[in-house]
Amino acid sequence: GQQLNQSPQSMFIQEGEDVSMNCTSSSIFNTWLWYKQDPGEGPVLLIALYKAGELTSNGRLTAQFGITRKDSFLNISASIPSDVGIYFCAGRPLQGAQKLVFGQGTRLTINP
Amino acid sequence: EAQVTQNPRYLITVTGKKLTVTCSQNMNHEYMSWYRQDPGLGLRQIYYSMNVEVTDKGDVPEGYKVSRKEKRNFPLILESPSPNQTSLYFCATRSYNSPLHFGNGTRLTVT
Repeated sequence: GQQLNQSPQSMFIQEGEDVSMNCTSSSIFNTWLWYKQDPGEGPVLLIALYKAGELTSNGRLTAQFGITRKDSFLNISASIPSDVGIYFCAGRPLQGAQKLVFGQGTRLTINP
Repeated sequence: EAQVTQNPRYLITVTGKKLTVTCSQNMNHEYMSWYRQDPGLGLRQIYYSMNVEVTDKGDVPEGYKVSRKEKRNFPLILESPSPNQTSLYFCATRSYNSPLHFGNGTRLTVT
C-alpha cells in the first residue's frame, strides 16, 4: 500500500530546543494530520491541514502542508518535558480518500 | 465526554484460542477502523467500516474479522490467533471528512 516516509525516526534533545520533523510521499495527499502518542495511550490529534501551502499553529506547534502536496513538516518550539512521546504524520491520499496512511513515527526524548 | 472505548486493555492468550476485542464509541460516528501498531512500522489499517453492515479490508486484514451490526460497536475478532498477531491494537472513529479519534489501545500477546 501507500507509504509515508517520516524522519527522523528518533530525536534526543535538550529541554528548550526547537524540534523539526517531516513526512514525504511519492504520491499526492489531500489532507495531512499530525498526531502525538503518549506511553500507554492512543494517538491524539495535534494539527490538521487541508490545503496545499497551509501553515497552522497550535500553541508551540506549527505544521505546514507542502505546496507539492507530497510532504508536511511539524515544528515544536522551546520544547518542554511533556513534549516527550511519539509523533505520527498521517495523510489522506487523493485516490482512496477514505483511507488514512501513517508514517512510521518520530520518537522524541528530552533531556531536562 | 466523547469516547472511544476498547476492551480489554491487555490480553495474553495462546495460539488458536478465539478472541474478540471490543470497540465502542459514543459520538455517533459513521466511520470506524482498526489499526495495529508494531515497532518501526507505524500504524497499519486492518479493517474499516463506513457505516452499519458495511466493512472493508485495510492493508493487513489476514487473520482478522470484524462486524458492524450497530453504529456504536465495531468488534475485532481473531478466530485462531497466532504469535505474529502479537501487537498493540487501536480502534479509531470519525465522522465524514473529520480526523480520526483513537481509543487507548489493546496490547495483545499470543504465545
